Amino acid sequence: NAGVTQTPKFQVLKTGQSMTLQCAQDMNHEYMSWYRQDPGMGLRLIHYSVGAGITDQGEVPNGYNVSRSTTEDFPLRLLSAAPSQTSVYFCASRRDRDSGNTIYFGEGSWLTVV
Amino acid sequence: KQEVTQIPAALSVPEGENLVLNCSFTDSAIYNLQWFRQDPGKGLTSLLLIQSSQREQTSGRLNASLDKSSGRSTLYIAASQPGDSATYLCAVHPRDYGGATNKLIFGTGTLLAVQP
Repeated sequence: NAGVTQTPKFQVLKTGQSMTLQCAQDMNHEYMSWYRQDPGMGLRLIHYSVGAGITDQGEVPNGYNVSRSTTEDFPLRLLSAAPSQTSVYFCASRRDRDSGNTIYFGEGSWLTVV
Repeated sequence: KQEVTQIPAALSVPEGENLVLNCSFTDSAIYNLQWFRQDPGKGLTSLLLIQSSQREQTSGRLNASLDKSSGRSTLYIAASQPGDSATYLCAVHPRDYGGATNKLIFGTGTLLAVQP
């Protein structure tokens, strides 16, 4: 019963490097999204997807890229890491567009950019 | 712009006490409000979801209420236990973004410590 799985758990990057945070869900959910959590600011939506091949921007999309080639996977790419992207990143999924359905979160990816 | 505020930021209570966590939001145009629990180093777990047409939801020792007109929600925890220690987050799903997103507006949370 894996749910939402994120890798890696921890990562240190140098400024300017690129990397991909992986997210996979095994619940056949249509909706997937990425949030970042910063102290004193709560969670903020970066990008989301309503199904394979469909993505859209959230509240803070700059510096990030996403794709959704399969229902299961929703990777988040940092194109050129900056210290401002030091944060905890959470992937989430929901069965479909019904906002009354439970949203499931992964356990987070801690990213430090030096 | 929708803003969600949670007071207090931190709370420490002795085991067995009943307690109330508060959440307020600035725009009543919401689909629903959710309460989450976050343990250190872990993701968020959904506790209760209240649709905009509902007044409250209950699950075990937890009861969440929603007063949309005043922009307030409370999470009541009965007979608190040390295992309840965690950060509790509330989030609203604003109507102006439609139902087709996962966009939730989160508060910054209340850190609860239940002392044995």
